[in-house]
Amino acid sequence: QKEVEQNSGPLSVPEGAIASLNCTYSDRGSQSFFWYRQYSGKSPELIMFIYSNGDKEDGRFTAQLNKASQYVSLLIRDSQPSDSATYLCAVKSGNYGQNFVFGPGTRLSVLP
Amino acid sequence: DGGITQSPKYLFRKEGQNVTLSCEQNLNHDAMYWYRQDPGQGLRLIYYSQIVNDFQKGDIAEGYSVSREKKESFPLTVTSAQKNPTAFYLCASSMEGPRTEAFFGQGTRLTVV
Repeated sequence: QKEVEQNSGPLSVPEGAIASLNCTYSDRGSQSFFWYRQYSGKSPELIMFIYSNGDKEDGRFTAQLNKASQYVSLLIRDSQPSDSATYLCAVKSGNYGQNFVFGPGTRLSVLP
Repeated sequence: DGGITQSPKYLFRKEGQNVTLSCEQNLNHDAMYWYRQDPGQGLRLIYYSQIVNDFQKGDIAEGYSVSREKKESFPLTVTSAQKNPTAFYLCASSMEGPRTEAFFGQGTRLTVV
């Protein structure tokens, strides 16, 4: 059974702080890792993807991947109240016939 | 504009009824997926399809059926056998290959009345 785990939260951070979201996965064959943001009642939207070990930065967001530890994280710098949402970690494996396995999501609350 | 369109946005089902949720994409994606999301929960895979006229069961396929007669369309039928269908249903599509992301429709909220 392929599994993706996340802390459900809620994670509360003050405005301007760094929010750190974590995700672990069980399938060592996983090749692609995605972070989606989902506002209440809305569909998920992609904010970051990462394929190789190390860090990937995009604006205020940094994704970090450590395949040896089967761990992926998302850092949000200078957190804003508009960042308050649920963050879903997703993992994809293989070349054909494989699916996205989603974690349960971490609810982030950025306090003004 | 390219994207995925789900309809209707809200749907009400009576006990014992079958209902069909529509999902259409114009992104030319081969793969399409249906997920169910319950309040405070993650996404659970119902069915997926990698090519036309072929689809596979996901983790929670019981009580659901799908078809993939056209590349652009992947409708989901919630049958009367699904005993607890009230949920948020999300359709997604992606290009083939491991390094491709999923694009989501706006979702259909189904309620049993």
